Amino acid sequence: EAQVTQNPRYLITVTGKKLTVTCSQNMNHEYMSWYRQDPGLGLRQIYYSMNVEVTDKGDVPEGYKVSRKEKRNFPLILESPSPNQTSLYFCASSSRRTVPQETQYFGPGTRLLVL
Amino acid sequence: GQNIDQPTEMTATEGAIVQINCTYQTSGFNGLFWYQQHAGEAPTFLSYNVLDGLEEKGRFSSFLSRSKGYSYLLLKELQMKDSASYLCAVQYSGAGSYQLTFGKGTKLSVIP
Repeated sequence: EAQVTQNPRYLITVTGKKLTVTCSQNMNHEYMSWYRQDPGLGLRQIYYSMNVEVTDKGDVPEGYKVSRKEKRNFPLILESPSPNQTSLYFCASSSRRTVPQETQYFGPGTRLLVL
Repeated sequence: GQNIDQPTEMTATEGAIVQINCTYQTSGFNGLFWYQQHAGEAPTFLSYNVLDGLEEKGRFSSFLSRSKGYSYLLLKELQMKDSASYLCAVQYSGAGSYQLTFGKGTKLSVIP
């Protein structure tokens, strides 16, 4: 089944404790992206990657890191989480080969609470 | 970033028709998506418009006017399961044409 997976789905952590949220897609998509979603603010892009070893900042990159060593994986790293990073996070992937072209497919989401 | 405007909330009755509007800045426009998102779940693709006009897909239709920077999503024969947020997302050309800018979403409540 074609899908985007994220782990963990739920996470409670404390300020300053490094964490990684994994994202994996099995559709051979070249493009992957991370969003955060907060009430009243909608979906905001954190980082994106056009292909392996190519990453770039989105609208709200502060406090986050990403890497794209393999096409299928795009982990999101919070080196020193803070309470303002409490949010619902979505990973998405797309490709010029999808119909419609470049439709983004979303993972199930990771709900993060930073105490 | 580019502003995408859509109403925050709407309420409609089961069996009725509802229209959710979306306006956007036209400069660099490449295409427009509508996504449906149930509470706490991932957004799922509904429709895509790149040319002017109406695209119909079952109970859902989406309209685009490129010159006016305007789109709407039309939901017919509303069902309770249509209660969700509807996200308008615009694809702008630029550094990477994959980039989507999302509106804040319209929360639709369907009442009996």
